[in-house]
Amino acid sequence: GAVVSQHPSWVICKSGTSVKIECRSLDFQATTMFWYRQFPKQSLMLMATSNEGSKATYEQGVEKDKFLINHASLTLSTLTVTSAHPEDSSFYICSASPWTSGTDTQYFGPGTRLTVL
Amino acid sequence: DAKTTQPPSMDCAEGRAANLPCNHSTISGNEYVYWYRQIHSQGPQYIIHGLKNNETNEMASLIITEDRKSSTLILPHATLRDTAVYYCIVRVSQHGTASKLTFGTGTRLQVTL
Repeated sequence: GAVVSQHPSWVICKSGTSVKIECRSLDFQATTMFWYRQFPKQSLMLMATSNEGSKATYEQGVEKDKFLINHASLTLSTLTVTSAHPEDSSFYICSASPWTSGTDTQYFGPGTRLTVL
Repeated sequence: DAKTTQPPSMDCAEGRAANLPCNHSTISGNEYVYWYRQIHSQGPQYIIHGLKNNETNEMASLIITEDRKSSTLILPHATLRDTAVYYCIVRVSQHGTASKLTFGTGTRLQVTL
């Protein structure tokens, strides 16, 4: 149990285009999902908290108009990188918590590697 | 969330126990110790967590000192597949409220033949 999937696993796009990344909880429902970004040889950095049915909460320094988050159901959150530029190239990872243990142990997706040319 | 300190890297021979330390001297009474690992180019994988008692599961054991200011993750028989960056994270965990994880730099464990 507690499986989180992401799609696509990798994507290459041209500068100026938009890319949508999906995060799904496969065997549990999640009212909250988290989106992280990881640059090469660096640790994960939280970008935003995605809340089902409401607006996402963004970390300081993350542009909400550039990284659009939609959490339309209890099993799906999407991150859209709008007008992508080469500096947006990164490894994007989502996480969610199934609440099965009584504590919010979070489980992570496999990540999506974005390369912007 | 309390700050954690981990050694940047460690080596371990395959088949031997890997003991990964973590200092969290400013931990509060309601903060849990979580361990995750990240194998290269993959999402982090949950390993184990605990509050004050030692914990064991199929992956590892977690030993927390009595004063809770430090802990050790033990992989009893390390294999090459355990080569990864291991993150020790201390955070409050409240039922009904999902809270974010703050990742430090972790310990890069290299398991060798």
